[in-house]
Amino acid sequence: AQSVTQPDIHITVSEGASLELRCNYSYGATPYLFWYVQSPGQGLQLLLKYFSGDTLVQGIKGFEAEFKRSQSSFNLRKPSVHWSDAAEYFCAVVGNTGGFKTIFGAGTRLFVKA
Amino acid sequence: DVKVTQSSRYLVKRTGEKVFLECVQDMDHENMFWYRQDPGLGLRLIYFSYDVKMKEKGDIPEGYSVSREKKERFSLILESASTNQTSMYLCAVKPGGANVLTFGAGSRLTVL
Repeated sequence: AQSVTQPDIHITVSEGASLELRCNYSYGATPYLFWYVQSPGQGLQLLLKYFSGDTLVQGIKGFEAEFKRSQSSFNLRKPSVHWSDAAEYFCAVVGNTGGFKTIFGAGTRLFVKA
Repeated sequence: DVKVTQSSRYLVKRTGEKVFLECVQDMDHENMFWYRQDPGLGLRLIYFSYDVKMKEKGDIPEGYSVSREKKERFSLILESASTNQTSMYLCAVKPGGANVLTFGAGSRLTVL
């Protein structure tokens, strides 16, 4: 069955430090991959997506993610975290055969300390 | 870009009450979704609709129903609310042929 694993429930980083949020997926083929961010009390907003091509994708707010087929991973990174990045981050997959369902990971809550 | 509006941001209901959660988009996209969000569980799909009057069960449809009488509006109905339905409910829209979801701000429901 398709699944998405975000092994870290929460992460705390200092402002200005680098960030990496982990995501692993289980799927029969290479799916479409996404990262969404949810600020407190809000819905989810797309950060970036990977469909094909260059395995390093750039997103909004200075985030990037790297697709590694051999590891079935799609980790999110940011070189220097800002206090406003404190939020919950969700990794998600959609089958690339045109299915309707998006499958989400459990989320990683990011705390930023001054 | 589509705008997705969930008019009820916070609701408090009693056990056994009928609850309507509404979701409206400002475009004409085919696909609309209702998710439930709980800590540690991520988002779980309750129902989705790919056209007017068309609906499909998601992963956790029990205790819920939906209605889509107009293309822009997708309603989630709890026929008899129970305390285990206390949660955040998120509506999302996806254009046909695309794979990116646009979400509303969410409706936080508390059932007492």
